[in-house]
Amino acid sequence: GENVEQHPSTLSVQEGDSAVIKCTYSDSASNYFPWYKQELGKGPQLIIDIRSNVGEKKDQRIAVTLNKTAKHFSLHITETQPEDSAVYFCAASHFNAGNMLTFGGGTRLMVKP
Amino acid sequence: DTGVSQDPRHKITKRGQNVTFRCDPISEHNRLYWYRQTLGQGPEFLTYFQNEAQLEKSRLLSDRFSAERPKGSFSTLEIQRTEQGDSAMYLCASSFAKQETQYFGPGTRLLVL
Repeated sequence: GENVEQHPSTLSVQEGDSAVIKCTYSDSASNYFPWYKQELGKGPQLIIDIRSNVGEKKDQRIAVTLNKTAKHFSLHITETQPEDSAVYFCAASHFNAGNMLTFGGGTRLMVKP
Repeated sequence: DTGVSQDPRHKITKRGQNVTFRCDPISEHNRLYWYRQTLGQGPEFLTYFQNEAQLEKSRLLSDRFSAERPKGSFSTLEIQRTEQGDSAMYLCASSFAKQETQYFGPGTRLLVL
Protein backbone atom coordinates (compact mmCIF):
# COMPACT_ATOMS: atom_id res chain seq x y z
CA GLY A 1 0.00 0.00 0.00
CA GLU A 2 0.87 3.67 -0.12
CA ASN A 3 3.24 5.16 2.45
CA VAL A 4 3.62 8.93 2.92
CA GLU A 5 6.49 10.44 4.88
CA GLN A 6 6.40 14.08 5.99
CA HIS A 7 9.18 16.37 7.24
CA PRO A 8 9.80 18.24 9.43
CA SER A 9 7.52 17.22 12.29
CA THR A 10 7.78 20.71 13.81
CA LEU A 11 8.69 24.00 12.20
CA SER A 12 9.09 27.36 13.88
CA VAL A 13 9.41 30.53 11.80
CA GLN A 14 9.30 34.25 12.37
CA GLU A 15 6.28 36.13 11.09
CA GLY A 16 6.89 37.17 7.49
CA ASP A 17 9.33 34.34 6.77
CA SER A 18 8.62 31.43 4.43
CA ALA A 19 7.84 27.88 5.51
CA VAL A 20 8.44 24.72 3.50
CA ILE A 21 7.07 21.27 4.31
CA LYS A 22 8.13 18.20 2.31
CA CYS A 23 6.48 14.85 1.67
CA THR A 24 7.47 11.69 -0.14
CA TYR A 25 5.17 8.92 -1.31
CA SER A 26 5.83 5.34 -2.34
CA ASP A 27 3.07 4.33 -4.79
CA SER A 28 3.72 5.55 -8.32
CA ALA A 29 0.01 5.04 -9.09
CA SER A 30 -0.96 7.89 -6.75
CA ASN A 31 -2.25 10.83 -8.76
CA TYR A 32 -3.85 13.24 -6.28
CA PHE A 33 -1.98 15.15 -3.55
CA PRO A 34 -3.93 17.41 -1.18
CA TRP A 35 -2.67 19.47 1.75
CA TYR A 36 -4.81 19.97 4.84
CA LYS A 37 -4.54 22.40 7.75
CA GLN A 38 -5.84 21.24 11.12
CA GLU A 39 -6.42 23.53 14.06
CA LEU A 40 -6.86 22.27 17.60
CA GLY A 41 -10.13 20.43 18.10
CA LYS A 42 -11.18 20.77 14.47
CA GLY A 43 -11.27 18.55 11.41
CA PRO A 44 -8.73 18.90 8.60
CA GLN A 45 -9.39 21.76 6.16
CA LEU A 46 -8.19 21.55 2.57
CA ILE A 47 -5.85 24.41 1.70
CA ILE A 48 -4.49 23.36 -1.70
CA ASP A 49 -4.20 20.26 -3.86
CA ILE A 50 -2.39 19.15 -6.99
CA ARG A 51 -2.96 16.48 -9.60
CA SER A 52 -0.19 14.37 -11.06
CA ASN A 53 -0.42 16.03 -14.46
CA VAL A 54 0.62 19.38 -12.95
CA GLY A 55 4.05 20.30 -11.59
CA GLU A 56 3.16 23.38 -9.59
CA LYS A 57 0.10 25.21 -8.32
CA LYS A 58 -0.18 28.51 -6.49
CA ASP A 59 -2.97 30.16 -4.52
CA GLN A 60 -2.03 33.53 -3.04
CA ARG A 61 0.61 32.86 -0.34
CA ILE A 62 0.45 29.08 -0.73
CA ALA A 63 2.10 26.96 -3.42
CA VAL A 64 2.61 23.26 -3.95
CA THR A 65 5.18 21.58 -6.17
CA LEU A 66 5.21 17.97 -7.35
CA ASN A 67 8.11 15.88 -8.65
CA LYS A 68 6.60 12.62 -9.94
CA THR A 69 9.96 11.12 -10.85
CA ALA A 70 11.32 11.53 -7.34
CA LYS A 71 7.88 10.91 -5.78
CA HIS A 72 7.93 13.97 -3.61
CA PHE A 73 5.83 17.09 -3.20
CA SER A 74 6.20 20.21 -1.11
CA LEU A 75 4.09 22.95 0.44
CA HIS A 76 5.42 26.49 0.42
CA ILE A 77 3.88 29.25 2.53
CA THR A 78 5.23 32.75 2.00
CA GLU A 79 4.84 35.81 4.23
CA THR A 80 3.73 33.66 7.15
CA GLN A 81 1.25 35.09 9.66
CA PRO A 82 0.45 34.01 13.23
CA GLU A 83 -2.88 32.61 12.02
CA ASP A 84 -0.95 30.15 9.83
CA SER A 85 0.06 28.36 13.06
CA ALA A 86 -1.52 24.89 12.94
CA VAL A 87 -0.74 21.29 12.04
CA TYR A 88 -0.37 20.64 8.31
CA PHE A 89 -0.87 17.24 6.69
CA CYS A 90 0.05 16.08 3.23
CA ALA A 91 -1.80 13.16 1.67
CA ALA A 92 -1.76 11.01 -1.45
CA SER A 93 -4.38 8.94 -3.20
CA HIS A 94 -5.24 7.15 -6.41
CA PHE A 95 -8.32 8.97 -7.57
CA ASN A 96 -9.45 6.21 -9.92
CA ALA A 97 -9.24 3.54 -7.20
CA GLY A 98 -11.53 4.96 -4.54
CA ASN A 99 -9.51 8.04 -3.63
CA MET A 100 -8.75 6.80 -0.12
CA LEU A 101 -6.29 9.30 1.34
CA THR A 102 -3.01 8.18 2.93
CA PHE A 103 -1.76 10.95 5.20
CA GLY A 104 1.70 11.94 6.34
CA GLY A 105 2.47 12.27 10.04
CA GLY A 106 1.89 16.02 10.13
CA THR A 107 3.97 19.16 10.66
CA ARG A 108 3.28 21.50 13.55
CA LEU A 109 3.95 25.01 12.23
CA MET A 110 4.48 27.80 14.74
CA VAL A 111 4.68 31.36 13.47
CA LYS A 112 6.17 33.71 16.03
CA PRO A 113 4.98 37.33 15.92
CA ASP B 1 -17.60 24.99 8.56
CA THR B 2 -17.35 22.58 5.59
CA GLY B 3 -20.98 21.47 5.76
CA VAL B 4 -20.13 17.99 7.06
CA SER B 5 -21.54 17.47 10.55
CA GLN B 6 -20.76 14.78 13.10
CA ASP B 7 -22.51 13.80 16.28
CA PRO B 8 -21.61 13.58 19.06
CA ARG B 9 -18.52 15.77 19.18
CA HIS B 10 -17.23 14.02 22.29
CA LYS B 11 -17.94 10.63 23.81
CA ILE B 12 -16.59 9.09 26.99
CA THR B 13 -17.38 5.45 27.56
CA LYS B 14 -16.23 2.54 29.65
CA ARG B 15 -14.35 -0.37 28.21
CA GLY B 16 -16.70 -3.01 26.88
CA GLN B 17 -19.54 -0.63 26.03
CA ASN B 18 -20.86 -0.08 22.51
CA VAL B 19 -20.81 3.36 20.90
CA THR B 20 -22.32 4.76 17.71
CA PHE B 21 -21.31 7.87 15.82
CA ARG B 22 -23.22 9.69 13.10
CA CYS B 23 -22.01 11.64 10.09
CA ASP B 24 -24.12 13.87 7.88
CA PRO B 25 -22.26 14.65 4.65
CA ILE B 26 -22.68 17.60 2.35
CA SER B 27 -25.97 17.00 0.58
CA GLU B 28 -25.65 15.42 -2.87
CA HIS B 29 -22.14 14.12 -2.07
CA ASN B 30 -22.34 10.47 -3.04
CA ARG B 31 -19.06 9.40 -1.40
CA LEU B 32 -18.58 9.23 2.35
CA TYR B 33 -15.34 8.29 4.09
CA TRP B 34 -14.46 7.40 7.68
CA TYR B 35 -10.97 7.99 9.07
CA ARG B 36 -9.45 7.54 12.52
CA GLN B 37 -6.85 9.92 13.97
CA THR B 38 -4.85 9.18 17.10
CA LEU B 39 -3.04 11.91 19.01
CA GLY B 40 -0.09 13.33 17.10
CA GLN B 41 -0.72 11.25 13.99
CA GLY B 42 -2.30 11.79 10.60
CA PRO B 43 -5.77 10.40 9.87
CA GLU B 44 -5.95 6.77 8.78
CA PHE B 45 -8.53 5.47 6.33
CA LEU B 46 -11.15 3.09 7.74
CA THR B 47 -13.87 2.65 5.13
CA TYR B 48 -15.86 4.41 2.43
CA PHE B 49 -19.26 4.34 0.79
CA GLN B 50 -20.47 5.30 -2.61
CA ASN B 51 -24.17 5.91 -2.19
CA GLU B 52 -25.38 2.97 -0.04
CA ALA B 53 -22.61 0.58 -1.03
CA GLN B 54 -19.60 0.05 1.23
CA LEU B 55 -16.82 -0.30 -1.34
CA GLU B 56 -13.64 -0.56 0.71
CA LYS B 57 -12.65 -1.48 4.26
CA SER B 58 -9.22 -1.06 5.79
CA ARG B 59 -7.60 -3.88 7.74
CA LEU B 60 -7.78 -1.42 10.65
CA LEU B 61 -11.53 -2.01 10.69
CA SER B 62 -11.76 -5.03 12.98
CA ASP B 63 -14.93 -7.08 13.27
CA ARG B 64 -15.92 -4.95 16.27
CA PHE B 65 -16.43 -2.04 13.88
CA SER B 66 -19.38 -1.72 11.55
CA ALA B 67 -20.47 1.13 9.33
CA GLU B 68 -23.67 1.74 7.44
CA ARG B 69 -25.12 4.26 5.06
CA PRO B 70 -28.63 2.92 4.64
CA LYS B 71 -30.16 5.56 2.38
CA GLY B 72 -27.05 6.97 0.79
CA SER B 73 -27.18 10.07 2.95
CA PHE B 74 -26.02 9.98 6.59
CA SER B 75 -23.73 7.24 7.87
CA THR B 76 -23.20 5.58 11.25
CA LEU B 77 -20.07 3.98 12.65
CA GLU B 78 -20.56 1.55 15.52
CA ILE B 79 -17.85 0.15 17.74
CA GLN B 80 -18.81 -2.87 19.83
CA ARG B 81 -17.06 -3.92 23.04
CA THR B 82 -14.85 -0.83 23.06
CA GLU B 83 -11.21 -1.13 24.09
CA GLN B 84 -8.86 1.56 25.37
CA GLY B 85 -7.00 1.38 22.06
CA ASP B 86 -10.14 2.65 20.33
CA SER B 87 -9.63 6.07 21.92
CA ALA B 88 -9.14 8.45 19.00
CA MET B 89 -10.77 11.12 16.87
CA TYR B 90 -13.15 9.63 14.31
CA LEU B 91 -13.40 11.79 11.22
CA CYS B 92 -15.93 11.73 8.43
CA ALA B 93 -15.40 13.23 4.98
CA SER B 94 -17.56 13.49 1.89
CA SER B 95 -17.06 14.16 -1.79
CA PHE B 96 -18.60 13.80 -5.22
CA ALA B 97 -17.51 10.53 -6.85
CA LYS B 98 -16.10 12.41 -9.86
CA GLN B 99 -14.19 14.99 -7.85
CA GLU B 100 -11.11 14.45 -5.73
CA THR B 101 -11.73 16.96 -2.96
CA GLN B 102 -12.81 15.47 0.37
CA TYR B 103 -14.42 17.77 2.92
CA PHE B 104 -13.95 16.77 6.53
CA GLY B 105 -16.30 17.15 9.45
CA PRO B 106 -15.19 18.31 12.93
CA GLY B 107 -14.78 14.76 14.19
CA THR B 108 -16.00 12.78 17.18
CA ARG B 109 -13.44 12.42 19.94
CA LEU B 110 -13.82 9.07 21.74
CA LEU B 111 -12.25 8.33 25.11
CA VAL B 112 -12.50 4.78 26.40
CA LEU B 113 -11.83 4.46 30.13
